[in-house]
Amino acid sequence: SSELTQDPAVSVALGQTVRITCQGDSLRSYYASWYQQKPGQAPVLVIYGKNNRPSGIPDRFSGSSSGNTASLTITGAQAEDEADYYCNSRDSSGNHHVVFGGGTKLTVL
Amino acid sequence: QVQLQESGPGLVKPSQTLSLTCTVSGGSISSGSYYWSWIRQPAGKGLEWIGRIYTSGSTNYNPSLKSRVTISVDTSKNQFSLKLSSVTAADTAVYYCARVVGRGDYDYFDYWGQGTLVTVSS
Repeated sequence: SSELTQDPAVSVALGQTVRITCQGDSLRSYYASWYQQKPGQAPVLVIYGKNNRPSGIPDRFSGSSSGNTASLTITGAQAEDEADYYCNSRDSSGNHHVVFGGGTKLTVL
Repeated sequence: QVQLQESGPGLVKPSQTLSLTCTVSGGSISSGSYYWSWIRQPAGKGLEWIGRIYTSGSTNYNPSLKSRVTISVDTSKNQFSLKLSSVTAADTAVYYCARVVGRGDYDYFDYWGQGTLVTVSS
């Protein structure tokens, strides 16, 4: 079982704001990173660290963290944002192991 | 622009060893302070971290796979490799290689290969 917990599915109306969450004890010590995966494609990094976006990622994607919960917020969701989203962080062992959340399927209505 | 490409057999028999190679282009595998990692994804399921290697050769493995996994690096070929022994049908998945950036309090995978499907079947 994953040490990071995500809601399996979330939906949002086109143009509205949606928050996808990731919970786990390791998030009290480490920042999460977030990945977008569309069907048949490799994951793409969208947020890393405190709230950093790689080049080419729209600024409607943002990240935040509080306690044991990390959040990915999409402000003004677009049809092309429909995808699976995964969080990851180091695990809580202190051994530089990595864990992924189970993923959240985002549907844009 | 860094690119990663997985290669290896798409079909492996049960109890045998799965072997994959990731070739890095667009930069030296030895330059910068990066780790190089393997991740897998069974069909319709989530991502599972397998392990990672630094160019010095130091490794970290997923505890659930550690007894069966070996990751190695060949800097002369700009490649790193995965070996997973004693495979079963549960090891059938798309296998990705990725570059890892490690910071003080977070790691992230910034470049990924396209993935390669490995099926375990007799």
